[in-house]
Amino acid sequence: DQQVKQNSPSLSVQEGRISILNCDYTNSMFDYFLWYKKYPAEGPTFLISISSIKDKNEDGRFTVFLNKSAKHLSLHIVPSQPGDSAVYFCAATSGGGADGLTFGKGTHLIIQP
Amino acid sequence: GAVVSQHPSWVICKSGTSVKIECRSLDFQATTMFWYRQFPKQSLMLMATSNEGSKATYEQGVEKDKFLINHASLTLSTLTVTSAHPEDSSFYICSAFPGIGQTQYFGPGTRLLVL
Repeated sequence: DQQVKQNSPSLSVQEGRISILNCDYTNSMFDYFLWYKKYPAEGPTFLISISSIKDKNEDGRFTVFLNKSAKHLSLHIVPSQPGDSAVYFCAATSGGGADGLTFGKGTHLIIQP
Repeated sequence: GAVVSQHPSWVICKSGTSVKIECRSLDFQATTMFWYRQFPKQSLMLMATSNEGSKATYEQGVEKDKFLINHASLTLSTLTVTSAHPEDSSFYICSAFPGIGQTQYFGPGTRLLVL
């Protein structure tokens, strides 16, 4: 039973446009959500996180939105750049981030010039 | 800052041998480290939580006698895959957690191939 779902295995976006990556979760105990960027054969790189007490967090080109009632979060990247091409993982945890992470299956973002 | 290293990055071994993987937080202390595993085209799956000075907590379905975890200091955790078999071939990644209010930082991963 997948508790964190990323239903789009891949997403292609034109350079300069907005990339929107979606994530849904089922476990109501999750209170901290994170997005990671990952290249093959490398560890994930932290991008941005959001606590369940917030509905938006912004860091430069990256914004994460959380809709608790819908158990849905999204990552917006604007403007998209070629270097953003990678696999993006949504992750969730409880305990304010102190517990292990439950990951989605990832979305492969391809930025086209 | 917040660098986590893993050693080795690649290991090929014969079936039945044991393999030790080290995870180090280089510029911070981590009371908690986590071990994950990723099979091809799958997500990262949490295997166990490692707390300094205490026994590791294993996720359901992960054999604690097969995957031995030692967290001897605030900067080092080791995962030993005992009597490795081909089905243990995977990408093993650790993360280190500096403390509440901070995020987990991941190592670069270790690719294990058991022949």
